[in-house]
Amino acid sequence: GAVVSQHPSWVICKSGTSVKIECRSLDFQATTMFWYRQFPKQSLMLMATSNEGSKATYEQGVEKDKFLINHASLTLSTLTVTSAHPEDSSFYICSARGSHYRVWNQPQHFGDGTRLSIL
Amino acid sequence: GQSLEQPSEVTAVEGAIVQINCTYQTSGFYGLSWYQQHDGGAPTFLSYNALDGLEETGRFSSFLSRSDSYGYLLLQELQMKDSASYFCAVRDRRTYKYIFGTGTRLKVLA
Repeated sequence: GAVVSQHPSWVICKSGTSVKIECRSLDFQATTMFWYRQFPKQSLMLMATSNEGSKATYEQGVEKDKFLINHASLTLSTLTVTSAHPEDSSFYICSARGSHYRVWNQPQHFGDGTRLSIL
Repeated sequence: GQSLEQPSEVTAVEGAIVQINCTYQTSGFYGLSWYQQHDGGAPTFLSYNALDGLEETGRFSSFLSRSDSYGYLLLQELQMKDSASYFCAVRDRRTYKYIFGTGTRLKVLA
């Protein structure tokens, strides 16, 4: 259970392009999804938390107009990196929490990640 | 706020036992998790301690002591494939955010 799928796994594009990353929960309804960013040899940093049907909550220092998050259904959240530049190149990882999680003391499971390279 | 500190790098030989520590400063959390991440891959869940004490899962064990603000991951009978980065993580009780440690890069030598 608790399978999270992320697509695409790898993106290479030109500077100025907008890139959309999808995160799907395959075997449960995800009421909350989390988006992380990881630079080489660093830890995972939480970018934003999205709840189905409402606006995402962004962490301090993360530009909401740059990183658009949509969580329109209980199985899909998307992260769009708008007008991407080389400094946005990173590993983006999503995670999902289901409505079947009765308590918060559960470990979190992750998608396979998307490696974004902006030229 | 939360901070979880780990040693940046640990080196050991095949067959050995290694312990990766996680010390934290936090006002409260639900449990301590451990993840393994190979280069280019996503984190994969290894172990979880909801309560103080030792949890054993095959070659991997994890320990938590809330009174000492300390936990560790113990890897036994090290194999080359265990070379990876290891992260501890907690969910903050107040914000419900899932916070990761600084990460430890484990190198297993033949």
